[in-house]
Amino acid sequence: EVQLAESGGGLVQPGGSLRLSCVASGFTLSYHWMSWARQAPGKGLEWVASISEDGIETHYVDSVKGRFTISRDNAKSSLSLQMNSLRAEDTAVYYCARDDWGPAYWGQGTPVAVSS
Amino acid sequence: DVVLTQSPLSLPVTLGQPASISCRSSQSLVHSNGNTYLHWFQQRPGQSPRRLIYQVSTRDSGVPDRFSGSGSGTDFTLKISRVEADDVGVYYCMQGTHRPPWTFGQGTKVEIK
Repeated sequence: EVQLAESGGGLVQPGGSLRLSCVASGFTLSYHWMSWARQAPGKGLEWVASISEDGIETHYVDSVKGRFTISRDNAKSSLSLQMNSLRAEDTAVYYCARDDWGPAYWGQGTPVAVSS
Repeated sequence: DVVLTQSPLSLPVTLGQPASISCRSSQSLVHSNGNTYLHWFQQRPGQSPRRLIYQVSTRDSGVPDRFSGSGSGTDFTLKISRVEADDVGVYYCMQGTHRPPWTFGQGTKVEIK
């Protein structure tokens, strides 16, 4: 069974940093693109970033370019999202997802709140 | 970027009655490889999204056959043949053809009358 478990969310002040992690099980991580998506309170779904199977290719939504970094460790079956210079508008539940031309499997999400 | 427009945004339905959600794309979602990466997701209250339908019309494992997807090019539809109480939630279409970025529709809230 495919499982994705996110962690690392929390409350952070504007301008602060946070690192999210996602541990994958039930499949071979190195065979798949992986992505992060988010959902602001009461809002819809928004893609945030994606990373290729080997970690060489990455893509980001414009609003996080230069602030967020997606990375992976296939040996540890893990995915990360380093978030710097956080803003109030980054407040959301963050999901990691296995990317099969779109998010085929989602984790349970980890909440991030950016507030002073 | 591709824009996906769902309608309606709110859908009150009587139990046992059918429901239909439209998703229109600002450009064709046919990939150069011939596939169409238009998917449908269900998000029940308080839960993570779950994929129901991928590549327009293929149901994911465990998805009841009362859910069906259809369409081509720029116009797509999700149908629920007989709505059950368990179907309450928000439904999103999403395209993976023209990426980055992935794009989602605004979501359609299905509720029981």
